[in-house]
Amino acid sequence: KAGVTQTPRYLIKTRGQQVTLSCSPISGHRSVSWYQQTPGQGLQFLFEYFSETQRNKGNFPGRFSGRQFSNSRSEMNVSTLELGDSALYLCASSSLPGGVYEQYFGPGTRLTVT
Amino acid sequence: GQQLNQSPQSMFIQEGEDVSMNCTSSSIFNTWLWYKQDPGEGPVLLIALYKAGELTSNGRLTAQFGITRKDSFLNISASIPSDVGIYFCAGQGTGTASKLTFGTGTRLQVTL
Repeated sequence: KAGVTQTPRYLIKTRGQQVTLSCSPISGHRSVSWYQQTPGQGLQFLFEYFSETQRNKGNFPGRFSGRQFSNSRSEMNVSTLELGDSALYLCASSSLPGGVYEQYFGPGTRLTVT
Repeated sequence: GQQLNQSPQSMFIQEGEDVSMNCTSSSIFNTWLWYKQDPGEGPVLLIALYKAGELTSNGRLTAQFGITRKDSFLNISASIPSDVGIYFCAGQGTGTASKLTFGTGTRLQVTL
């Protein structure tokens, strides 16, 4: 079974631009969560989607948004990029939402904002 | 954002040695997960723990879910060079939230 895939793997953007990242979960998994990883803050939860609905959201500004499609693929968007948005963005999928289902991570998208 | 207290922060050990790391939280979790992350890659799930007191093994790895539900430890026996990486604990909340709260990470380096 293929794992979680994320595209693109690397991205360089300029301050003020916007960016869209994509995540395809493991086949059959319907829950997708997004995390931001930085050296200073570690791994921080962004949001979680299930059945095209956002179920949970972390403490990030409104510039960070996401959505999920009917095939469970998910995208996250960051508008008006800031230098501090440079990070590894990770997507994780699980079969169902809820605290008893294991989450499997993709390789991440490395975003650099200049 | 919140991070769990994970120790030690880094370890330098010799091949063949055993390793122990732990994670503590001020909050109760329903699930504890341990991940390993290699540079430039996403975390890979090593062990999942679902019940307080549970002790689970996966090859040379053993992890336990603390009785108080606020801590967990991971042991690696007879370390080998491919064990090098960063190990993260993660707690998964109560209720229907899938949000993972991660530890600060333990960087493991193995010398021959």
